[in-house]
Amino acid sequence: GAVVSQHPSRVICKSGTSVKIECRSLDFQATTMFWYRQFPKQSLMLMATSNEGSKATYEQGVEKDKFLINHASLTLSTLTVTSAHPEDSSFYICSATGGGSGNTIYFGEGSWLTVV
Amino acid sequence: AQSVTQLGSHVSVSEGALVLLRCNYSSSVPPYLFWYVQYPNQGLQLLLKYTSAATLVKGINGFEAEFKKSETSFHLTKPSAHMRDAAEYFCAVSEGGGGNKLTFGTGTQLKVEL
Repeated sequence: GAVVSQHPSRVICKSGTSVKIECRSLDFQATTMFWYRQFPKQSLMLMATSNEGSKATYEQGVEKDKFLINHASLTLSTLTVTSAHPEDSSFYICSATGGGSGNTIYFGEGSWLTVV
Repeated sequence: AQSVTQLGSHVSVSEGALVLLRCNYSSSVPPYLFWYVQYPNQGLQLLLKYTSAATLVKGINGFEAEFKKSETSFHLTKPSAHMRDAAEYFCAVSEGGGGNKLTFGTGTQLKVEL
């Protein structure tokens, strides 16, 4: 079946630095990718939707200048957390869909971000 | 607007017993409905999905769910629980097609006891 891969699975960064998380669709062309944030023992909150070659659409309350999303190709989207702070520590999950996935949305394994 | 309500944040069953996880949805258009499972520190795995075809949907690992429009429900069931079923389960709804963004419920933690 379709596979979506995230990298890194875990990352620790210092407060004030930036960190990039990659999301790749391995066996289908992902025309749309979604980025979610999940706090411990809570549900997934959609941060933004990105379509290949277009600017991402952010959900209300999500700072677009802080969470930079790039979807430059049909197999790769990146989320960059800029000037990270401890409150940005969270589990970030991407998902992807496209014609090759039968319009099913597949999720990556998630990335744990810890800001110290 | 679409929303999902999962009744019961924690459900505990004995191994071999019936599993029933409840999900009710709200949608302004015919919905697409999904159940995902999340094991600790991992992403989400699709269990099953309803896309306006058969109302009884069979998924992986012996799970199934029935779409009931009159009750706006999409409850997840499994006849006999296994220890490996212990995980977090999320119900989700999508409007306007399966490839649109998902709105998730708050999740139900399933515990399976010996």
